[in-house]
Amino acid sequence: GAGVSQSPSNKVTEKGKDVELRCDPISGHTALYWYRQRLGQGLEFLIYFQGNSAPDKSGLPSDRFSAERTGESVSTLTIQRTQQEDSAVYLCASSIQSGQLYEQYFGPGTRLTVT
Amino acid sequence: DQQVKQNSPSLSVQEGRISILNCDYTNSMFDYFLWYKKYPAEGPTFLISISSIKDKNEDGRFTVFLNKSAKHLSLHIVPSQPGDSAVYFCAVLYNQGGKLIFGQGTELSVKP
Repeated sequence: GAGVSQSPSNKVTEKGKDVELRCDPISGHTALYWYRQRLGQGLEFLIYFQGNSAPDKSGLPSDRFSAERTGESVSTLTIQRTQQEDSAVYLCASSIQSGQLYEQYFGPGTRLTVT
Repeated sequence: DQQVKQNSPSLSVQEGRISILNCDYTNSMFDYFLWYKKYPAEGPTFLISISSIKDKNEDGRFTVFLNKSAKHLSLHIVPSQPGDSAVYFCAVLYNQGGKLIFGQGTELSVKP
């Protein structure tokens, strides 16, 4: 089956504009995660959705960041009033959350550049 | 405060030899550990994982070792191949089913 897909693959936006990033997880995966990777750094957790539970938003860096998920399918990450420090690759991952299987499978990422 | 550390930003190995990538963590309560490989312009790809009830897990050329007392894990690749050249991230599961905490990554270069 298809892997995790993300769109757009690249996004260039002006400082102050809002952007919306999309993630389509692997079918049947109940958990969905957003991470970001700034240049030269490791992956930084942003937010996690698991079924109907309240999302874990502990990694969101500011209230300009928000995310939604429709059921157990697509998710969108929205960044309002973008700043230059928001420039990063935004990665989405999904996992099956069954038994002892905790592996997360990543999409190719969206490269966001704020000018 | 970095909970997962990969102290070597880069490693260069000759084809056919062993590559050893290291990772240290700070919290003894972590109980599930993973390694990911990342090529440029692609998302990380899951490689291998280990639960804290084990000290070794092997999958083909890849073996992960866990030393709980030292809070240290390592990934061994043998024999190393040029296609293994990538950035390798170790990660720990923060809680069951929760977020992953990643190290900074080690860039492996396998030279023919």
